[in-house]
Amino acid sequence: LAKTTQPISMDSYEGQEVNITCSHNNIATNDYITWYQQFPSQGPRFIIQGYKTKVTNEVASLFIPADRKSSTLSLPRVSLSDTAVYYCLVGDKWDAGNMLTFGGGTRLMVKP
Amino acid sequence: GAGVSQSPSNKVTEKGKDVELRCDPISGHTALYWYRQRLGQGLEFLIYFQGNSAPDKSGLPSDRFSAERTGESVSTLTIQRTQQEDSAVYLCASSPYTSDTQYFGPGTRLTVL
Repeated sequence: LAKTTQPISMDSYEGQEVNITCSHNNIATNDYITWYQQFPSQGPRFIIQGYKTKVTNEVASLFIPADRKSSTLSLPRVSLSDTAVYYCLVGDKWDAGNMLTFGGGTRLMVKP
Repeated sequence: GAGVSQSPSNKVTEKGKDVELRCDPISGHTALYWYRQRLGQGLEFLIYFQGNSAPDKSGLPSDRFSAERTGESVSTLTIQRTQQEDSAVYLCASSPYTSDTQYFGPGTRLTVL
């Protein structure tokens, strides 16, 4: 399984764009990149998933370069409520047992 | 529709006692996962079910931990002879067969005194 590395913590201010980068140097051909968000005292929830280039939804954007060895989660104009832990996972999306390693995540603190 | 539910929400027990944690997945989800999360830490994978079989038990930390699942529904995680280091939030998630996206429950906070 591909190993991921992401910053332990990040600080930002309300209204700013936040970019969290995840490194996954040994990503496999069939692997997708998935990000989850976890608020205090809650289980994680799915944010976004991609294979290559760029994916955008109502919550975030995911940028994946051509070599796919890293990915960047972009949160536009963050608010205090975006304070959470963000996890990057890599694995074969067609294998339900393949994407299981959440790691420590990136703790984002949004300040007023 | 209803999400993943877990019970109890909180459990306080004494060292050496056995505990059972329950997870009700989203109806129709064939895959079910258990994770452990210690205070301030990331998620630690414990076990995964596809239907009622467990292809991957590699995360269970010791033989005091076991889990079972009835068909494609309820799962129970049992911890025997609890130790203080078992104190954590135990999270359950489920996913549809054709998708890896995991839907998490609210967790059970276990405190071993």
